[in-house]
Amino acid sequence: SYDLTQPLSVSVALGQTATVTCGGKNIGRKNVHWYQQKPGQAPVLVIYTDNNRPSGIPERFSGSNSGNTATLTISRAQAGDEADYYCHVWDSNTEVFGGGTKLTVL
Amino acid sequence: EVQLVESGGGLVQPGGSLRLSCADSGLTFSSYWMSWVRQAPGKGLEWVANIKQDGSEKYYVDSLKGRFTISRDNAKNSLYLQMNSLRAEDTAVYFCARKDIYFDFWGQGTLVTVSS
Repeated sequence: SYDLTQPLSVSVALGQTATVTCGGKNIGRKNVHWYQQKPGQAPVLVIYTDNNRPSGIPERFSGSNSGNTATLTISRAQAGDEADYYCHVWDSNTEVFGGGTKLTVL
Repeated sequence: EVQLVESGGGLVQPGGSLRLSCADSGLTFSSYWMSWVRQAPGKGLEWVANIKQDGSEKYYVDSLKGRFTISRDNAKNSLYLQMNSLRAEDTAVYFCARKDIYFDFWGQGTLVTVSS
C-alpha cells in the first residue's frame, strides 16, 4: 500500500509563511490534493491537483509537488488558518490520506 | 449547489449493524463517483469506500472488505453505507463526499459509536 508522511505539527508566526510537507515515494508523479479541517467541521478542499485553488480559497494558499515531496504553502498566515491539514492521493483504486498536520499560528 | 447530509449514525453494540445514508440536494448526484471517509475521535481521515456513478464499480479499504457495503440510489440522490459486524474500532464520524479526482464536497458527518 502507498504511504503518505506528514509532520504532526507545524508552527508559524502571524503574518509569516507556513509550509506543510507530504512525503511519498515518487509522489511527484501523482496528483496531490490538500484539505483543511477545523475542529468539529468537515474537511474543505484548499488545493487540488498539486497547485490549483478551488473557488473561494485565498491566493495565500499554494502547492507544489516534485520528487518525493508535495508541499502546501500558506503565505501571510492568519489566525483563521489554524487547523489540521491533510494531503491526499489516489493509488491503485484506493484513496490515501496523510496522517495530518496541525498548524498553529503564534 | 451541492449539499450532502448524512444520517443514520448512533450507538450500536459490538457485532451489530447500521446503515448510513447521505442525501444530495443538488442536481448532479448521478454524474459523480461518491465516497465514504471516516475519522475516529482525535485521529486523522481514513478513506472507506468509493462507488462509481452507476454503481457498477465499488472499491473498499482492505481492512473493511466484507463487513461494509457501499451502494447508491440515483433516483433518490442518495448514497448508503451498510455496516455489519461492527467493532469498537469502527467508532468514528462518517463523512460522505463527492469525488472528482479529489473530494470537492463533503457532508458534515454522522457519528457512529460502537459500545456495549
